[in-house]
Amino acid sequence: EPEVTQTPSHQVTQMGQEVILRCVPISNHLYFYWYRQILGQKVEFLVSFYNNEISEKSEIFDDQFSVERPDGSNFTLKIRSTKLEDSAMYFCASRDRVSKNIQYFGAGTRLSVL
Amino acid sequence: SQQGEEDPQALSIQEGENATMNCSYKTSINNLQWYRQNSGRGLVHLILIRSNEREKHSGRLRVTLDTSKKSSSLLITASRAADTASYFCATDGGSGGSNYKLTFGKGTLLTVNP
Repeated sequence: EPEVTQTPSHQVTQMGQEVILRCVPISNHLYFYWYRQILGQKVEFLVSFYNNEISEKSEIFDDQFSVERPDGSNFTLKIRSTKLEDSAMYFCASRDRVSKNIQYFGAGTRLSVL
Repeated sequence: SQQGEEDPQALSIQEGENATMNCSYKTSINNLQWYRQNSGRGLVHLILIRSNEREKHSGRLRVTLDTSKKSSSLLITASRAADTASYFCATDGGSGGSNYKLTFGKGTLLTVNP
């Protein structure tokens, strides 16, 4: 069964460093999302992406964050200068055009900022 | 106030019993979905109910939706130890545009004891 894959599963970085979280959405999907979940808290929407541009972003998604679909398969989230409070589980999700907004999630990348 | 608040926050039952989780939300919606998350893993879609539907079944899952009360319930019948997980409701739509970002609740941690 097709699935969303995320790499790495765990990323440890120093505060102020740049990180890139990678996602390979399901191949025929057109809508892509990043969410994050701080330990013990709810899953929060970060950004949605369609037709090679951001369609919506949350207040969390400030200038330190960017997303890119550099080729036909990858979808990346970049954090330019990480802060301690960026430590969280980051989930990528994708959906197709017709699935009534059923989003398929990857297993997540645990980001630890030290 | 937050969209998608589940209760109870934690539920512990014996195998074979039924588990009922509730979710309330604040704004108008297009769909309400339930997702499951095993510890440290990604979110798995369970079931979607549209705003014009009142009840939906899928295997051992039964979802109800009351848009007048802005609430939903998820019933898992004949629970199994493997059902142990966190369960989240997620809403989309209303006035939020067409990108269909999901707004999650805090989740219910279900523990099914063998």
